[in-house]
Amino acid sequence: SQTIHQWPATLVQPVGSPLSLECTVEGTSNPNLYWYRQAAGRGLQLLFYSVGIGQISSEVPQNLSASRPQDRQFILSSKKLLLSDSGFYLCAQEDSMNTEAFFGQGTRLTVV
Amino acid sequence: AQKVTQAQTEISVVEKEDVTLDCVYETRDTTYYLFWYKQPPSGELVFLIRRNSFDEQNEISGRYSWNFQKSTSSFNFTITASQVVDSAVYFCALSEASGGGADGLTFGKGTHLIIQP
Repeated sequence: SQTIHQWPATLVQPVGSPLSLECTVEGTSNPNLYWYRQAAGRGLQLLFYSVGIGQISSEVPQNLSASRPQDRQFILSSKKLLLSDSGFYLCAQEDSMNTEAFFGQGTRLTVV
Repeated sequence: AQKVTQAQTEISVVEKEDVTLDCVYETRDTTYYLFWYKQPPSGELVFLIRRNSFDEQNEISGRYSWNFQKSTSSFNFTITASQVVDSAVYFCALSEASGGGADGLTFGKGTHLIIQP
């Protein structure tokens, strides 16, 4: 079965500090991987998706970047956090034969 | 471009009442997938159902049922005999097949369902 590990669960960071959120998946190979953000009181917004190692597509211009160094690893980063980066970040994956997305448990980021 | 609208921001009902959550979508693709997810207070998204655009049969799973109508571009979700544990935010989402499924899901803004005891 497909499993997504996402950490940390919660994070409080000062403005201007760097960010690195990691997501790893198990139970599938060559998955499509996604980072979503859910701002307070709002729906989920797709930030990045990746169809393979080193392949990153950005949906929304922002202060964030993503990388996929390994098939089952997807990293969300920022060099300098802004207050507006606060939110709930969810990693998701779907295999190449299925359009169903499985989500990690999320990271609640608060930038102070 | 695709769009999902959940017009109901918040719904509050008393336990055991039936409740319907509305979802209207827009897409230019003829092949697409519709989803419902539940987000309990813990935050994780729990998959409830996926429907492809060629299958308009209504589906029932226990107290949950879904009504897919292409004519009105709607994919509504009904909970019968609601329970307090049903309290959560529910998201409707759309995935278009033209991107090979790799473009991710487009979510509605969610409906916060409150079931009062």
